[in-house]
This record gives sequence, structure tokens and C-alpha cells, in this order.
Amino acid sequence: EDQVTQSPEALRLQEGESSSLNCSYTVSGLRGLFWYRQDPGKGPEFLFTLYSAGEEKEKERLKATLTKKESFLHITAPKPEDSATYLCAVQSNDYKLSFGAGTTVTVRA
Amino acid sequence: SAVISQKPSRDICQRGTSLTIQCQVDSQVTMMFWYRQQPGQSLTLIATANQGSEATYESGFVIDKFPISRPNLTFSTLTVSNMSPEDSSIYLCSAWGTGRDEQYFGPGTRLTVT
Repeated sequence: EDQVTQSPEALRLQEGESSSLNCSYTVSGLRGLFWYRQDPGKGPEFLFTLYSAGEEKEKERLKATLTKKESFLHITAPKPEDSATYLCAVQSNDYKLSFGAGTTVTVRA
Repeated sequence: SAVISQKPSRDICQRGTSLTIQCQVDSQVTMMFWYRQQPGQSLTLIATANQGSEATYESGFVIDKFPISRPNLTFSTLTVSNMSPEDSSIYLCSAWGTGRDEQYFGPGTRLTVT
């Protein structure tokens, strides 16, 4: 069974204080690793897809990286509007997503 | 990117009744999925909605409780049958295969069963 573990569970940052979120996984057949942002009361918003170890993708203050067993989401100089829950999911070869529990990020001004 | 809409956005239902949730995608997609997000928890896959054939259900979910239809490449419905308070959750539709390697989610349907 695919397993996805995210840490920390919650992260409180001061505006401008960079940090990283971790997503470790065990999966029988990995097609890709996905990152989403979810705001309260809304559906997940797609951020990145990573496919192979060493791959990196960036979007504004966010950068996602992938190794063989884990992925990191780096938040550089965060702003209050980056406050959200960040979800990691692994996609199997049948395109199904298995999600981690998420990391709730709070950025204080 | 694909835009996914869901109806209703929220509902409060009586125990023992059924609710059908609609999902519409603004473009043809290869695959559609239904997920559940229980209060304070992450997303769990209910089933894959197959176009023109029966849905494929994950362990712990059965067709009698969650019948699903997908009559074409842009539309699907999920029915929550014979509801109990334990069915109170957010139900999310998801789509894959828009030509981009991205999987999108609808805004969700917040269901409360009393």
C-alpha cells in the first residue's frame, strides 16, 4: 500500500523566514509526485508535478525538489498570503493519487 | 488548466436520504475521480469514474453506497446513499488528462448529515 508522510504537521513562520516542508513516500509504482495548496473551504490547487530524482520546479516563492524517497517544498521569504495547507500526493501508474496528511503553514506579518 | 465545477456547493441532509453531486469539467478529460475529505483530514480516493462503464471503487467503498455515473468525457455524478452522520464530509471531483501533466480538483461539496 502506498504511504505518504508529511512533516511537520504545522509550521508557523515570520514573514520573510524561509523554511522547508518534507514529504516522504513508499510506493510500489511511482508515476509522479504532486504538490497542492489548499485554502480553508476550497479544493486543492495544483502547484507542481515531479517525476524523477533530481528534478526541481519553481513557482514564485515555492520550489519543489525530488529524491528517490522524499520531496521537499521550499518556501523562500514567505508572505502572509502563503498561509495555507500544503498537500503532497504520489500518483501511481493508474493515475490515482494517495495523499499525505498535509502541512499547515501560517505566516505572520 | 481545466476548470471543474461542482453542484451543490453544500447541503444539509436528513439521515436515510440520498444526495447526488454533479461534476462538470470545461474540457474533455481522460480520467475523473471522486475523493472524500473528512473534517480535519486529508483526501481519500473513493473511486475512479469510468466513461461508459462501471466505476472502480477503492477498498472500503462500495457501489451501493456511492453509485457513480460518467456518461461522457466532461461530466460525472456521485450519489451518497442512505446517509448517516458519518458521511458528513467534503466530496471532491478530480480530473486528469487535459493534455497537461496536471491533475485538477473541483471546489468540493460540503455535506452535513443530521
